[in-house]
Amino acid sequence: EVQLVESGGGLVQPGGSLRLSCAASGFTFSSNWMTWVRQAPGKGLEWVANIKLDGSEKYYLDSVKGRFTISRDNAKNSLFLQMNSLRAEDTAVYYCARDSSSSHWSLFCDYWGQGTLVTVSS
Amino acid sequence: DIQMTQSPSTLSASVGDRVTITCRASQSISSWLAWYQQRPGKAPKLLIYEASSLESGVPSSFSGGGSGTEFTLTISSLQPDDFATYYCQQYSDYPRTFGQGTKVEIK
Repeated sequence: EVQLVESGGGLVQPGGSLRLSCAASGFTFSSNWMTWVRQAPGKGLEWVANIKLDGSEKYYLDSVKGRFTISRDNAKNSLFLQMNSLRAEDTAVYYCARDSSSSHWSLFCDYWGQGTLVTVSS
Repeated sequence: DIQMTQSPSTLSASVGDRVTITCRASQSISSWLAWYQQRPGKAPKLLIYEASSLESGVPSSFSGGGSGTEFTLTISSLQPDDFATYYCQQYSDYPRTFGQGTKVEIK
């Protein structure tokens, strides 16, 4: 059974940093693209970033480019999101999701974690 | 960026009703479209991919259609579990973008 468990969320002041983690199990982690998606309170879904199987390609939402860094550790079946220079508008539940693709091009997300809440406030 | 627009934003319906949600893309995305269901407080769940392919384990009451810029999600007979919010998402280009969501409410 595929399982994705996020951790690392919490309350942080504007301008601060936070590192989210996602522990994956139940599949061969190194065989899938991985994605972060967020959802602000009471709002819709927003794609944040994704990363290729071996970490060689990464793509970001423009509003987080230069502030957020997605990475993965295939030996530890883990996905990360380093978030710096956080803003109030980054407040959201952050979901880790498995991409269905094992190829050179990412596709859709077929499994999702339960999310971790990040609150940016003074 | 490719803009995804869903209609309606809210839909009131009864158990047993047939409902259709529309998703329009600001440019052609071929069939690179997925539909997700999200219940309150829960993670999204994949329903449909490649516009019309039903994800394993999803009831056959759900169906998807369309290509290019116009897509539909149809629920042939609403069940109590189906009252939720539905999102379309394109994966033709970066950044991946979602529609704003359609909330299906009990009438």
